[in-house]
Amino acid sequence: QLQLLESGPGLVKPSETLSLTCTVSGGSVNSGSYQWGWIRQSPGKGLEWIGSFHHSGTTDYNPSLKSRVTIFADTTQISLKVHSVTAADTGVYYCAGLSLVGVDSWGQGTLVGVSS
Amino acid sequence: NFMLTQPHSVSESPGKTVTISCTRSSGNIASNYVQWYQQRPGSAPTTVIYEDNQRPSGVPDRFSGSIDTSSNSASLTISGLKTEDEADYYCQSYDSTIPYVFGSGTKVTVL
Repeated sequence: QLQLLESGPGLVKPSETLSLTCTVSGGSVNSGSYQWGWIRQSPGKGLEWIGSFHHSGTTDYNPSLKSRVTIFADTTQISLKVHSVTAADTGVYYCAGLSLVGVDSWGQGTLVGVSS
Repeated sequence: NFMLTQPHSVSESPGKTVTISCTRSSGNIASNYVQWYQQRPGSAPTTVIYEDNQRPSGVPDRFSGSIDTSSNSASLTISGLKTEDEADYYCQSYDSTIPYVFGSGTKVTVL
């Protein structure tokens, strides 16, 4: 069974870079069965798709975040970087296994706060 | 881009039926599949309906999904309501610009 586990610092300073890692077990990042992505949940904004990584190496990003976000992966991990963070980037960040139409698997989520 | 609008909250007594709507602001609701996710407090979401009306294995048949093109909306119906159904529910669909668009979420309270 596919399991996703996010890790990273729980607190980031404004203007710095938020870096998170998702470790995949029970499946391969290189498998064509899934795309891999990041979704966040902010207190005032609900669920928001951040971006996706396809096993071919291509990426897609939410236009509202595209200029600040990078997603990349190796065989067992999917990584997220959000640059120049502000308080609006505070929230729970989920790693996800994505189908063409929706979310098949969710990580447990990791809470990230942005504060000096 | 389009938005998916849900009621903020619904409440009903155990054993009753609740229906949650999800209205698409632009584009045809029937053109792209709708998924529904349940999120209990402190937990990640889980899928209760995918591809408009399909239930993943393990989801009870008390949960059903439908599409209404006349109102350009999708609905999640929970029948025989149980206290364990108390949670937030989110719809989700997609288009060619943003592949994963989530609704605003509905809090279901079992009285």
